[in-house]
Amino acid sequence: DAGITQSPRYKITETGRQVTLMCHQTWSHSYMFWYRQDLGHGLRLIYYSAAADITDKGEVPDGYVVSRSKTENFPLTLESATRSQTSVYFCASSERGVGKLFFGSGTQLSVL
Amino acid sequence: GEDVEQSLFLSVREGDSSVINCTYTDSSSTYLYWYKQEPGAGLQLLTYIFSNMDMKQDQRLTVLLNKKDKHLSLRIADTQTGDSAIYFCAESTTSGTYKYIFGTGTRLKVLA
Repeated sequence: DAGITQSPRYKITETGRQVTLMCHQTWSHSYMFWYRQDLGHGLRLIYYSAAADITDKGEVPDGYVVSRSKTENFPLTLESATRSQTSVYFCASSERGVGKLFFGSGTQLSVL
Repeated sequence: GEDVEQSLFLSVREGDSSVINCTYTDSSSTYLYWYKQEPGAGLQLLTYIFSNMDMKQDQRLTVLLNKKDKHLSLRIADTQTGDSAIYFCAESTTSGTYKYIFGTGTRLKVLA
């Protein structure tokens, strides 16, 4: 099906472990984004990508790594998970970087 | 840094109008948006306005922009229980440093 999909939907991990959240879109949108959603903070931008092999930091990039070898995929890796990274993570894509963002359903991550 | 601020909660009676407010700090913002998030889902764009506009109407939704005060509002006429959700204000710009920033979100509760 066309759209933007995130996996897994739920993830529980332990502090210090590496975790990768996946994001895949079928529209060939140039821009892709990772946001985290926390109570009282709304959505905060972690990283974004304007095209394959082009990534840039957002507001809260520390502790996260991204890559974009293909236009349709934009995985987010937590290199050594910490409890402060417990959050709901949303991937989004956009054709032009402004205008409408299309969001995935989110990944709820718990770091114990 | 740039901020987008919203009040956290709003409660209205079914059939009344709802007004959700947002203030932003960056005068270079090109687009301003309203997104809706229902429980367990990603965000969906409701409407957006260009920074050179004062008002935009779309069925039950009216967006007002006061650029001088950097104030954006969303009015929902004849509010229904299905409008209960979290509403996010967002701004984006491509002039200078690229950004697409969301506010903290306003939780709207519609009472039957």
